Amino acid sequence: DQQVKQNSPSLSVQEGRISILNCDYTNSMFDYFLWYKKYPAEGPTFLISISSIKDKNEDGRFTVFLNKSAKHLSLHIVPSQPGDSAVYFCAASARTGTYKYIFGTGTRLKVLA
Amino acid sequence: EAGVTQFPSHSVIEKGQTVTLRCDPISGHDNLYWYRRVMGKEIKFLLHFVKESKQDESGMPNNRFLAERTGGTYSTLKVQPAELEDSGVYFCASSRHETQYFGPGTRLLVL
Repeated sequence: DQQVKQNSPSLSVQEGRISILNCDYTNSMFDYFLWYKKYPAEGPTFLISISSIKDKNEDGRFTVFLNKSAKHLSLHIVPSQPGDSAVYFCAASARTGTYKYIFGTGTRLKVLA
Repeated sequence: EAGVTQFPSHSVIEKGQTVTLRCDPISGHDNLYWYRRVMGKEIKFLLHFVKESKQDESGMPNNRFLAERTGGTYSTLKVQPAELEDSGVYFCASSRHETQYFGPGTRLLVL
């Protein structure tokens, strides 16, 4: 039973255009959501997070949108750059107890120059 | 500020052997987590320490896995005896509050 789902295993986008990565979750107890970027042979790098009390959080070229009623979040990267090519993981946490993260399976983004 | 470090970066062992992974968290981070990624699938939670205490070990696969965090600083994860299905990448993460910062991982291959 996968509580966090990233249904697109891969995405290709032209440099300069918008990249939109999607994530769905099933557990209504999740109240904190994050996106991580991962390059090969490295650990996940924190990108951006959002609390369930918000519906949008922005940091430079990265914006995360949260739709609680649909149990859906998305990461927008504008403009996309070749260096953004990596695997992106969505993670969710219920901030009671352990704060453990539940991860999606990742989406491989390729930004074409 | 130094990030989370893990040792070794790679380990190749035979089935039945013992392996010990080490994680050094970011200084001042009381929370330390272990995760595992098997065969390119999702990253799965193993356990959570707060200082030297195990807060949640619900993700530990079985009693062949033993995690310790003596003194509340670095942590070790021992697998004894290792089985083929234990192969994967073991990540450690630490946090002061909600956001966890990950180490580079230890790639374990059990033959």
